[in-house]
Amino acid sequence: SYVLTQPPSVSVAPGETARITCGGNIIGSKTVHWYQQKPDQAPVLVVYDDSDRPSGIPERFSGSKSGNTATLTISGVEAGDEADYYCQVWDTSTDHRVFGGGTKVTVL
Amino acid sequence: EVQLVESGGGLVKPGGSLRLSCAASGFSFSTYIMNWVRQAPGKGLEWVSSISGRSTNIYYADSVKGRFTISRDNAKNSLYLQMNSLIAEDTAVYYCARDQWGCRGGRCSHYFDYWGQGTLVTVSS
Repeated sequence: SYVLTQPPSVSVAPGETARITCGGNIIGSKTVHWYQQKPDQAPVLVVYDDSDRPSGIPERFSGSKSGNTATLTISGVEAGDEADYYCQVWDTSTDHRVFGGGTKVTVL
Repeated sequence: EVQLVESGGGLVKPGGSLRLSCAASGFSFSTYIMNWVRQAPGKGLEWVSSISGRSTNIYYADSVKGRFTISRDNAKNSLYLQMNSLIAEDTAVYYCARDQWGCRGGRCSHYFDYWGQGTLVTVSS
């Protein structure tokens, strides 16, 4: 089965930039989606199709991809951005949706 | 406004069964693929199952295949998950999520654009 790898945690000071990576075999051939989940809340889509933002998501959230790594970038981090972030792809060989293990972003 | 409201969670003994429901509103339910996604306590997200609008295409994660059955009733705008032979590892919050289809540069993919608030299933003796 397809595997996505994320770092368990990222720490960042307020106002700085947080970068969360997501690695996977031939991820360059897939589109990557990102979700934010705050404690005791449902996940929220923050980036889809590698780099598009749903309406209502601040421009501070951006997505990119290079080689076998996708990256979610949060610019000008705020205290309210402290959350778990998950990447997700669609495995075309099985029609399964696959999540990365999640990254906890801590705002120092 | 899109709304997804799960119900049916609770405490069940190992080997038991439970049926979850998800009531949908605010969109044309029958035209969307729907999913169940779960999250064990303190763990990450795990996709469980998906069902197409007319129930013709159904998929399951390997961890639940043969034990769980996804279904829907478009007349009632409702999604279901019948869970049998439950084990401790099935303990989780179960989310109902709407599927969306997107394409970029010739590559297309499924993702989840709306989620319910979840319902907790606890499997314990």
